[in-house]
Order: sequence, then C-alpha cells, then structure tokens
Amino acid sequence: EIVLTQSPATLSLSPGQRATLSCRASQTIRNYLAWYQQKPGQTPRLLIYTASNRATGIPARFSGSGSGTDFTLTVSSLEPEDFAVYYCQHRSSWPFSFGPGTRLDL
Amino acid sequence: QVQVVQSGAEVKKPGASVKVSCKASGYTSDNYAFTWVRQAPGQGLEWVAWISAYNADTNYAHVVQDRVTVTIDTSTSSAYMELRSLTSDDTAIYYCAGSGDSSLYFLEYWGQGTLVTVSS
Repeated sequence: EIVLTQSPATLSLSPGQRATLSCRASQTIRNYLAWYQQKPGQTPRLLIYTASNRATGIPARFSGSGSGTDFTLTVSSLEPEDFAVYYCQHRSSWPFSFGPGTRLDL
Repeated sequence: QVQVVQSGAEVKKPGASVKVSCKASGYTSDNYAFTWVRQAPGQGLEWVAWISAYNADTNYAHVVQDRVTVTIDTSTSSAYMELRSLTSDDTAIYYCAGSGDSSLYFLEYWGQGTLVTVSS
C-alpha cells in the first residue's frame, strides 16, 4: 500500500507570496498524482491531475510538478481565496489513498 | 457538465447498516467511475471505495473492506455504498465523486456529501 506524506503540515503566508507544498510517495507512482483544495465547510475541488495538468477552470497561478516519488504544488502569488487545506492523492495502485493535507494559513 | 447529487443525512445506532446513494447527470458514455471518500469531523480525506460504470469492478480500502459494498445502476448513473456493523469511528461526511476521461480518472465531480452519524 502506497503512503503519501505532505509537508509542511501548516504553511503560514500572506497574499501575494509564493506557496510551495510538497507531497512524497512511499514508492514510485510515476505521474499518477492529483492535488485537491478544500475550503472550510466545502467539498474538495480538483486542482491538478497527472502531476501537472490543471483541471477545468483552475487559475494559472496553480501549477504542479514532479514524478516518481516527489511532487510539488506551487501557487505563484496567493490570493485571499487560496487559503485552504490542500490534499494530494495517487492512483498508481489500489487503494488510491490521500495524503494527510497541508493547511495554508494567512 | 457533470453533476453528482447524494442522498440525505443519516443517523444510525452502533451495529446498524447505512446505504448512501449518489446520482450523476451529464456522463455521455460508460467510461466513468464513482469513488467514495469519507471525512471524519476535523480530519482529512480518506479513500473508501471505487466502482467502474464500465464493468462494475470494485476496489475497497483495507480498513472497511469486510463491511462495505458498493454497487452501480448504469441505467440511472447511480451508485450505492452500504456500510455495515457501524461504529462511532464511521461517523463522517461521505462524499461520492465522479471521474472520467476528462480528468484521467481523478476525482473531478464531487457530490455535496452525506453526513452519517453513528450514535447510541
């Protein structure tokens, strides 16, 4: 079973700053990784799939990179609405688990 | 555009079973799947189960595999998750998410969530 770890657990930044979130897999998952955003009281939203492809309607300030075991989600210039929890998820082999999340705080 | 709508909140006693449904509208072929994800209060996302609309193949998380069954009715694009022998640890919001070609089978379309509360 593949385990995803995310770092940092919490990231405190200000609007306009650059955010870099990491996700590491316990074994190679090629590029079968997605990133989701969840705001308080809301449903998760797909941001990035297959490591680097933005989902429909996702702003260009969100970008993903990586392959194998190490992945990064970057928000180039934070907007107030970007403060949320971010989860990574793989679909390399069953079960398709999630990471524990990174909370992006103001 | 695909929309996923789930059934309403449930309150169950320990040891009981619960069946949650979701219905997708907007898929134009059977190349899609449903995934069930749960989120306990104040906790992260936990992958629970998956079912293919193409051939009804299923996969389950180890933590629930002896107690959960997911089924699909492709004629109505609906999926069902039954969880048995409930305990307080099963109290969570259960999300149904649709995935297909457009997102390379990552979870693009999420239902609104169904709160399942297990309490005596």
